Amino acid sequence: AQSVTQLDSHVSVSEGTPVLLRCNYSSSYSPSLFWYVQHPNKGLQLLLKYTSAATLVKGINGFEAEFKKSETSFHLTKPSAHMSDAAEYFCVVSDPGNFNKFYFGSGTKLNVKP
Amino acid sequence: DAGVIQSPRHEVTEMGQEVTLRCKPISGHDYLFWYRQTMMRGLELLIYFNNNVPIDDSGMPEDRFSAKMPNASFSTLKIQPSEPRDSAVYFCASSTGEKEAFFGQGTRLTVV
Repeated sequence: AQSVTQLDSHVSVSEGTPVLLRCNYSSSYSPSLFWYVQHPNKGLQLLLKYTSAATLVKGINGFEAEFKKSETSFHLTKPSAHMSDAAEYFCVVSDPGNFNKFYFGSGTKLNVKP
Repeated sequence: DAGVIQSPRHEVTEMGQEVTLRCKPISGHDYLFWYRQTMMRGLELLIYFNNNVPIDDSGMPEDRFSAKMPNASFSTLKIQPSEPRDSAVYFCASSTGEKEAFFGQGTRLTVV
């Protein structure tokens, strides 16, 4: 079965410093992986996705993530945090046998301090 | 395209009443998903459709919940009778093939 573990429920960084949001997945096959962002009282927006092409994936708003099969990880990073990055971030894995069934992590709330 | 459209955005109802949530997926998308988000349980997949046919409803919590997709451009999620523990944000999402899902803005349901 597929599953996703987001290692930190809350992360706090200062504006201008790097962001690292950790995600580990469990999958029997090569999965498709996604990061979504949810701003307060908003829907979920796709940040980036990995679908077996380049292992380093660039997304919107300066975010990127690296697929590391040996570590079963898909951590989300950004070199310099902005106040507008404060939101909740979800790591998602899709079922390789059924690409349209998505498994969500529990979410990481990112706080950005001025 | 306007994206996935959900209505209403907010719903407050009394316990025991019927609640109907509505969703219009993105045109051309053949998969539609209903999710529920709560503080305690996070995001849960309730049910999803492919070409208007329910494929997996294993996430539907109980018989009080039902979902329909009468055509490619409309789906409903109904709760009858509603209970306070159903209070949550309900998201609809749509996708096509092996692509990412696009989410609506959600319906915040409060059952008092």
